[in-house]
Amino acid sequence: QSALTQPASVSGSPGQSITISCTGTSSDVGSHNLVSWYQQHPGKAPKLIIYEVNKWPSGVSNRFSGSKSGNTASLTISGLQAEDEADYYCSSYAYTTTPHVIFGGGTKLTVL
Amino acid sequence: QVQLQESGPGLVKPSETLSLTCTVSGGSTRSYYWSWIRQPPGTGPEWIGNIYSSGRTNYNPSLKSRVSISIDTSKNQFSLKLNSVTAADTAVYYCARDQALTGLGWIDPWGQGTLVTVSS
Repeated sequence: QSALTQPASVSGSPGQSITISCTGTSSDVGSHNLVSWYQQHPGKAPKLIIYEVNKWPSGVSNRFSGSKSGNTASLTISGLQAEDEADYYCSSYAYTTTPHVIFGGGTKLTVL
Repeated sequence: QVQLQESGPGLVKPSETLSLTCTVSGGSTRSYYWSWIRQPPGTGPEWIGNIYSSGRTNYNPSLKSRVSISIDTSKNQFSLKLNSVTAADTAVYYCARDQALTGLGWIDPWGQGTLVTVSS
């Protein structure tokens, strides 16, 4: 099972907005609204920031927003802040031979 | 607030079995799905599988032949066994909770992770 496809890196200046894409297939991203996004700082565990495409866990800033169109999901971060610099991973429900979860390869966000 | 802590050997020899345990505090393992995820150095996470309190499991198809996940609700623990390991199994291993009813949704919270190195 191949990982979901994300750009290796994106960058933006403080205050700007950036969008990270996550492309899958009709067997994963396109099949359900079970797409989630995680933020990971170096040496730390991933942190859930978006679930079910566009929902926020408690305590997560609404500067993070999610969407989906067909087989591609997207994470938008508005009002970039220095602390947003991190790796971002998407994940999705997937079904090939059995149901499972699949992650993206990750996107490194640099705040300039 | 639920917290998870991984424990187990940090070094495993090739061809042997990797065994880890996750202890859950601040909540009960009698509900939710409980997951194992690993992250090789410098790469993205890879979902290994999960288990419900009933013993129902879901596994990554690419690892299914080598993986076994079990749960002990009386101890509030769940465990991972991965057999016939190679250097490619070297990774930080995380235990976590899946919040979706299907156990195949969103993962939160995560343990801090434990590095397991496969080497002779």
